[in-house]
Order: sequence, then structure tokens, then C-alpha cells
Amino acid sequence: DADVTQTPRNRITKTGKRIMLECSQTKGHDRMYWYRQDPGLGLRLIYYSFDVKDINKGEISDGYSVSRQAQAKFSLSLESAIPNQTALYFCATSGGSAITGELFFGEGSRLTVL
Amino acid sequence: GESVGLHLPTLSVQEGDNSIINCAYSNSASDYFIWYKQESGKGPQFIIDIRSNMDKRQGQRVTVLLNKTVKHLSLQIAATQPGDSAVYFCAEKGNYGGSQGNLIFGKGTKLSVKP
Repeated sequence: DADVTQTPRNRITKTGKRIMLECSQTKGHDRMYWYRQDPGLGLRLIYYSFDVKDINKGEISDGYSVSRQAQAKFSLSLESAIPNQTALYFCATSGGSAITGELFFGEGSRLTVL
Repeated sequence: GESVGLHLPTLSVQEGDNSIINCAYSNSASDYFIWYKQESGKGPQFIIDIRSNMDKRQGQRVTVLLNKTVKHLSLQIAATQPGDSAVYFCAEKGNYGGSQGNLIFGKGTKLSVKP
């Protein structure tokens, strides 16, 4: 079983709809992240959480919100989806070393907004 | 308006040859660097990392070189195999203003291995 699980893996929706992407992890990590990947643009940070009571905006948080329901669960919501939110979304976790900082990624959720 | 994705830099090598993937990083205060490999349809996976107090680190078939003078990072893959075909990302980390200690990713390089 994957250590970082994302659902759904693929979703097609219409403009204006509310969408939630869910992430759960079995690594026991405190830190969780949501990234967006667009072709040729690399990975951009949307939101991150260092523990259950901590939520922080990343580079491109506008149009998104998150909820950290438990140490193992971190969900990303698009309250009113728009076509330029069509992208591949990744959840990641980290053990939170102050020195290093390897991220462990899920398999991705491909979202298409029509 | 709609954003248009950029074309990824592409490196094409013959199976068995060595590959060198380059990355220029942005901030001289970055003190940790990491390379990820992303295969088609999968999430990025850790390859190797290096701290700024080192200039070279070796793993299994991979070597990372760090040149802090010119803010350049490279990944060398020895005896490249078809399974090495993927997109490779470098990332930097530093506890400087705005980064909050998070990894900042490059745009990636696509490696294609010809049999």
C-alpha cells in the first residue's frame, strides 16, 4: 500500500463546482503539503501544514483552501473551480528535519475543469 | 487569460552512456539541495540530496555536484538505462525570507534514453 494516498486520482468537473481532493498518509509525518504541477512549470506550493493546528499559505494559494482533519489527513478544496485550475495536484509529507527535508509524494490527482 | 506551459528542457542519451542534468538555483542562502525523479503518471521520488557544506555526493549510479560559486547543481547518472527515462527536478531549501524553509523546485528536465 502507498504511504501517501490521494483521492480521487482523476476528476473532470465544470466551472463553478466545488471540488475536494483528499490526502492520507501512513508515514506518521507531521508536515503535509499540497503542490500543483503544470507542464513546464515544475511544482508550485499551494498550502502546507506543520501540524494539525497549523495551516500556511504557499506560493499560489488564491482560489484554494485546505483542512487538516488529523495528523494523517490533509484535504485541498477548490470552492468554485475555474479552467486555469486544470492541473496535476500532489500531496506530500515530510518528517520535518530542520536540516534536510525530503518530501514523500503521493501519486497525484489529475483535475480537469471544463 | 490562459497560461501556456513552457517546453521542458530535454536531454536525449544513448543507453549505456553517462547523463548529466544541470540546474541553476536562485538563492545563495540555500543550504540544502535535492534531486527528484518523476516517471510518467507517478509522483516525484527522491534520488539524492546534498548539503551546502559539501561539493559532491555519490549514490548508486548517481552523483550530485554542487558549485556554490556559480549557484549550479548537477546530477550525473552513470551507465544510463531505459528505466532512467523520466523528468528530473532539482530543489533548493533555505531558511531565508519568503521560503519558510520549504523546498523550491526547478522546472524540470526530461531525460530520454535511446535503446
